Amino acid sequence: DAGVIQSPRHEVTEMGQEVTLRCKPISGHNSLFWYRQTMMRGLELLIYFNNNVPIDDSGMPEDRFSAKMPNASFSTLKIQPSEPRDSAVYFCASSLQVVSYEQYFGPGTRLTVT
Amino acid sequence: AQTVTQSQPEMSVQEAETVTLSCTYDTSESDYYLFWYKQPPSRQMILVIRQEAYKQQNATENRFSVNFQKAAKSFSLKISDSQLGDAAMYFCAYQSSNTGKLIFGQGTTLQVKP
Repeated sequence: DAGVIQSPRHEVTEMGQEVTLRCKPISGHNSLFWYRQTMMRGLELLIYFNNNVPIDDSGMPEDRFSAKMPNASFSTLKIQPSEPRDSAVYFCASSLQVVSYEQYFGPGTRLTVT
Repeated sequence: AQTVTQSQPEMSVQEAETVTLSCTYDTSESDYYLFWYKQPPSRQMILVIRQEAYKQQNATENRFSVNFQKAAKSFSLKISDSQLGDAAMYFCAYQSSNTGKLIFGQGTTLQVKP
């Protein structure tokens, strides 16, 4: 298996622009997680899905952030409009089930908002 | 709410020596899971070791082992025969068996000296 695939690997955008991050989980995994990593706040869980259904989005910082999982093999995290403080590395991870199983992380998307 | 604390921002070890990274957590739950993840400069998150809270036996994976003290809420990672490739940031993580959320500590940067 290719592992969790994220695109793009790097994104540079201007403040106010819409940003869409993409994730393809490992085939057969039922749970998908979006994390954000910054120097100040470390690794934070933003939202997670089980069987394509959002379970907990309490980590989503603001209404400017939204996430979807239209099918078992694809998820997006969208920021509209983007702000400089959104600059971070965004990770997608997947696992067989929500609890107890290892979460496999993608390579991350480094987002820079100028 | 659960919290995870790694009190050592940086550690260093001589190649072939042993090093222990500390982690404490706070929770009111009795059933949960604990993980150590490694993040090398490539930023890829890699699972090092996993421990179920209901198991008294400490988990081991080759040169990596944990000292799990449930009453003390302590979960340290021991790396034996340290290798240059072990240099990375190490994250301790707690997972609730109720929600599946992974909560990460702040991380410990490990330097391995040749």
